[in-house]
Amino acid sequence: QKEVEQNSGPLSVPEGAIASLNCTYSDRGSQSFFWYRQYSGKSPELIMFIYSNGDKEDGRFTAQLNKASQYVSLLIRDSQPSDSATYLCAVNMDSTLTFGKGTMLLVSP
Amino acid sequence: DTEVTQTPKHLVMGMTNKKSLKCEQHMGHRAMYWYKQKAKKPPELMFVYSYEKLSINESVPSRFSPECPNSSLLNLHLHALQPEDSALYLCASSQGEGGELFFGEGSRLTVL
Repeated sequence: QKEVEQNSGPLSVPEGAIASLNCTYSDRGSQSFFWYRQYSGKSPELIMFIYSNGDKEDGRFTAQLNKASQYVSLLIRDSQPSDSATYLCAVNMDSTLTFGKGTMLLVSP
Repeated sequence: DTEVTQTPKHLVMGMTNKKSLKCEQHMGHRAMYWYKQKAKKPPELMFVYSYEKLSINESVPSRFSPECPNSSLLNLHLHALQPEDSALYLCASSQGEGGELFFGEGSRLTVL
Protein backbone atom coordinates (compact mmCIF):
# COMPACT_ATOMS: atom_id res chain seq x y z
CA GLN A 1 0.00 0.00 0.00
CA LYS A 2 1.35 3.40 -0.96
CA GLU A 3 1.61 5.70 2.02
CA VAL A 4 2.78 9.12 3.09
CA GLU A 5 3.68 9.45 6.76
CA GLN A 6 3.85 12.58 8.87
CA ASN A 7 4.03 13.20 12.60
CA SER A 8 0.64 14.64 13.54
CA GLY A 9 2.14 16.95 16.18
CA PRO A 10 1.43 19.48 17.39
CA LEU A 11 4.88 20.88 16.83
CA SER A 12 5.29 23.90 19.07
CA VAL A 13 7.99 26.48 18.40
CA PRO A 14 8.54 30.02 19.69
CA GLU A 15 8.28 33.00 17.37
CA GLY A 16 11.49 33.52 15.42
CA ALA A 17 12.63 29.90 15.66
CA ILE A 18 13.07 27.38 12.84
CA ALA A 19 10.25 24.87 12.42
CA SER A 20 11.17 21.54 10.85
CA LEU A 21 8.43 19.38 9.36
CA ASN A 22 9.14 15.88 8.10
CA CYS A 23 7.53 13.42 5.74
CA THR A 24 8.37 9.92 4.53
CA TYR A 25 6.82 8.06 1.63
CA SER A 26 6.65 4.45 0.56
CA ASP A 27 6.73 4.59 -3.26
CA ARG A 28 10.37 4.65 -4.35
CA GLY A 29 9.29 5.65 -7.86
CA SER A 30 7.69 8.94 -6.78
CA GLN A 31 9.10 11.94 -8.62
CA SER A 32 7.27 15.02 -7.35
CA PHE A 33 6.58 16.26 -3.86
CA PHE A 34 4.47 19.09 -2.50
CA TRP A 35 3.87 20.95 0.72
CA TYR A 36 0.50 22.50 1.46
CA ARG A 37 -0.53 24.75 4.33
CA GLN A 38 -4.08 24.49 5.64
CA TYR A 39 -5.62 26.85 8.15
CA SER A 40 -8.50 25.52 10.22
CA GLY A 41 -11.70 25.42 8.17
CA LYS A 42 -9.94 26.56 4.99
CA SER A 43 -8.72 24.77 1.89
CA PRO A 44 -5.09 23.68 1.37
CA GLU A 45 -2.74 26.23 -0.13
CA LEU A 46 0.35 25.19 -2.08
CA ILE A 47 3.56 26.43 -0.45
CA MET A 48 6.30 24.60 -2.33
CA PHE A 49 7.03 21.75 -4.67
CA ILE A 50 10.29 19.90 -5.20
CA TYR A 51 11.32 17.38 -7.83
CA SER A 52 15.09 16.99 -7.44
CA ASN A 53 17.27 15.81 -4.58
CA GLY A 54 18.65 18.59 -2.42
CA ASP A 55 17.29 21.87 -1.17
CA LYS A 56 14.91 24.37 -2.70
CA GLU A 57 14.46 27.75 -1.07
CA ASP A 58 11.60 30.24 -1.39
CA GLY A 59 11.67 33.11 1.06
CA ARG A 60 11.44 31.74 4.60
CA PHE A 61 10.65 28.24 3.33
CA THR A 62 13.11 25.52 2.34
CA ALA A 63 12.07 22.14 1.02
CA GLN A 64 14.56 19.28 1.24
CA LEU A 65 14.34 16.02 -0.69
CA ASN A 66 16.30 12.81 -0.27
CA LYS A 67 14.96 10.16 -2.66
CA ALA A 68 17.37 7.49 -1.45
CA SER A 69 15.95 7.80 2.05
CA GLN A 70 12.40 8.49 0.75
CA TYR A 71 12.26 11.58 2.89
CA VAL A 72 11.10 15.12 2.28
CA SER A 73 11.09 17.99 4.76
CA LEU A 74 10.01 21.60 5.06
CA LEU A 75 11.94 24.16 7.08
CA ILE A 76 10.31 27.43 8.07
CA ARG A 77 12.77 30.07 9.21
CA ASP A 78 11.85 32.98 11.48
CA SER A 79 8.53 31.33 12.33
CA GLN A 80 5.59 33.68 12.86
CA PRO A 81 2.31 33.14 14.72
CA SER A 82 0.61 33.41 11.32
CA ASP A 83 2.46 30.22 10.30
CA SER A 84 0.34 28.28 12.81
CA ALA A 85 -1.54 25.80 10.64
CA THR A 86 -1.55 22.18 9.53
CA TYR A 87 1.10 21.33 6.94
CA LEU A 88 0.25 18.57 4.49
CA CYS A 89 2.89 16.64 2.60
CA ALA A 90 1.69 15.30 -0.76
CA VAL A 91 3.47 12.85 -3.04
CA ASN A 92 2.73 12.00 -6.65
CA MET A 93 1.94 8.27 -6.74
CA ASP A 94 0.51 6.75 -9.92
CA SER A 95 -0.33 10.21 -11.32
CA THR A 96 -2.39 11.29 -8.33
CA LEU A 97 -1.35 13.09 -5.18
CA THR A 98 -1.43 11.10 -1.96
CA PHE A 99 -1.57 13.24 1.15
CA GLY A 100 -0.09 12.61 4.55
CA LYS A 101 -2.24 13.20 7.60
CA GLY A 102 -0.57 16.55 8.21
CA THR A 103 1.48 18.08 11.00
CA MET A 104 -0.04 20.82 13.13
CA LEU A 105 2.39 23.65 13.78
CA LEU A 106 1.86 26.08 16.65
CA VAL A 107 4.02 29.19 16.79
CA SER A 108 3.81 31.02 20.09
CA PRO A 109 4.46 34.79 20.37
CA ASP B 1 -8.73 35.84 -5.81
CA THR B 2 -8.91 32.10 -6.23
CA GLU B 3 -8.89 30.77 -9.77
CA VAL B 4 -10.84 27.69 -8.77
CA THR B 5 -14.34 28.72 -7.81
CA GLN B 6 -16.70 26.53 -5.83
CA THR B 7 -20.37 27.11 -5.10
CA PRO B 8 -22.08 27.02 -2.74
CA LYS B 9 -19.66 27.63 0.12
CA HIS B 10 -22.09 26.10 2.60
CA LEU B 11 -24.87 23.57 2.01
CA VAL B 12 -27.28 21.95 4.45
CA MET B 13 -29.43 19.15 3.09
CA GLY B 14 -31.68 16.38 4.26
CA MET B 15 -31.12 12.74 3.47
CA THR B 16 -33.82 12.73 0.80
CA ASN B 17 -32.67 15.86 -1.01
CA LYS B 18 -30.90 16.15 -4.34
CA LYS B 19 -28.32 18.91 -4.59
CA SER B 20 -25.21 19.76 -6.58
CA LEU B 21 -21.83 21.27 -5.86
CA LYS B 22 -20.30 23.26 -8.67
CA CYS B 23 -16.68 23.93 -9.53
CA GLU B 24 -15.13 26.06 -12.25
CA GLN B 25 -11.45 26.60 -12.95
CA HIS B 26 -10.09 29.57 -14.89
CA MET B 27 -6.53 28.33 -15.28
CA GLY B 28 -6.75 26.36 -18.52
CA HIS B 29 -5.86 23.20 -16.64
CA ARG B 30 -6.48 19.76 -18.11
CA ALA B 31 -7.31 17.88 -14.92
CA MET B 32 -9.94 18.52 -12.26
CA TYR B 33 -10.59 16.70 -9.01
CA TRP B 34 -13.06 16.31 -6.18
CA TYR B 35 -11.71 15.57 -2.72
CA LYS B 36 -13.56 14.93 0.53
CA GLN B 37 -12.03 16.07 3.80
CA LYS B 38 -13.25 15.25 7.29
CA ALA B 39 -12.03 17.19 10.32
CA LYS B 40 -8.39 16.53 11.25
CA LYS B 41 -8.00 14.14 8.28
CA PRO B 42 -6.19 14.58 4.96
CA PRO B 43 -8.11 15.13 1.73
CA GLU B 44 -9.36 11.89 0.17
CA LEU B 45 -9.58 11.66 -3.60
CA MET B 46 -13.06 10.96 -4.95
CA PHE B 47 -12.92 11.65 -8.69
CA VAL B 48 -10.47 12.78 -11.35
CA TYR B 49 -11.46 14.18 -14.72
CA SER B 50 -8.43 14.40 -16.95
CA TYR B 51 -8.16 14.68 -20.72
CA GLU B 52 -11.87 13.91 -21.08
CA LYS B 53 -11.62 10.74 -19.03
CA LEU B 54 -13.26 10.24 -15.66
CA SER B 55 -11.54 8.13 -13.00
CA ILE B 56 -13.42 7.08 -9.91
CA ASN B 57 -12.16 6.06 -6.48
CA GLU B 58 -13.96 2.74 -6.12
CA SER B 59 -14.64 3.34 -2.43
CA VAL B 60 -16.87 6.34 -3.22
CA PRO B 61 -20.57 5.39 -2.91
CA SER B 62 -22.91 5.84 -5.88
CA ARG B 63 -24.87 8.57 -4.08
CA PHE B 64 -22.08 10.86 -5.32
CA SER B 65 -21.95 11.34 -9.09
CA PRO B 66 -19.65 13.69 -11.00
CA GLU B 67 -20.51 15.53 -14.17
CA CYS B 68 -18.10 17.35 -16.44
CA PRO B 69 -19.96 19.64 -18.89
CA ASN B 70 -16.67 20.96 -20.29
CA SER B 71 -12.98 21.08 -19.47
CA SER B 72 -13.36 23.96 -17.02
CA LEU B 73 -16.40 22.73 -15.08
CA LEU B 74 -16.74 19.76 -12.75
CA ASN B 75 -19.96 19.33 -10.81
CA LEU B 76 -20.75 16.87 -8.05
CA HIS B 77 -24.33 15.65 -7.79
CA LEU B 78 -25.53 14.54 -4.38
CA HIS B 79 -28.49 12.25 -3.75
CA ALA B 80 -29.73 10.35 -0.69
CA LEU B 81 -26.70 11.29 1.37
CA GLN B 82 -26.05 10.11 4.90
CA PRO B 83 -25.03 12.20 7.93
CA GLU B 84 -21.54 10.69 7.74
CA ASP B 85 -21.14 12.38 4.35
CA SER B 86 -20.95 15.73 6.13
CA ALA B 87 -17.51 17.12 5.31
CA LEU B 88 -15.58 19.77 3.43
CA TYR B 89 -15.67 19.03 -0.29
CA LEU B 90 -12.71 20.40 -2.17
CA CYS B 91 -12.40 20.92 -5.88
CA ALA B 92 -8.94 21.22 -7.38
CA SER B 93 -7.30 21.51 -10.77
CA SER B 94 -3.84 20.83 -12.14
CA GLN B 95 -2.06 21.31 -15.44
CA GLY B 96 -1.72 17.56 -15.82
CA GLU B 97 -2.37 14.51 -13.68
CA GLY B 98 -0.08 14.38 -10.68
CA GLY B 99 0.96 18.00 -10.93
CA GLU B 100 0.55 20.62 -8.26
CA LEU B 101 -3.05 20.98 -7.21
CA PHE B 102 -4.77 24.32 -6.91
CA PHE B 103 -7.74 24.10 -4.58
CA GLY B 104 -10.94 26.07 -4.46
CA GLU B 105 -12.18 27.43 -1.14
CA GLY B 106 -14.28 24.33 -0.53
CA SER B 107 -17.95 23.60 0.01
CA ARG B 108 -18.92 22.78 3.59
CA LEU B 109 -21.69 20.15 3.45
CA THR B 110 -23.91 19.23 6.36
CA VAL B 111 -26.35 16.33 5.99
CA LEU B 112 -29.15 16.24 8.54
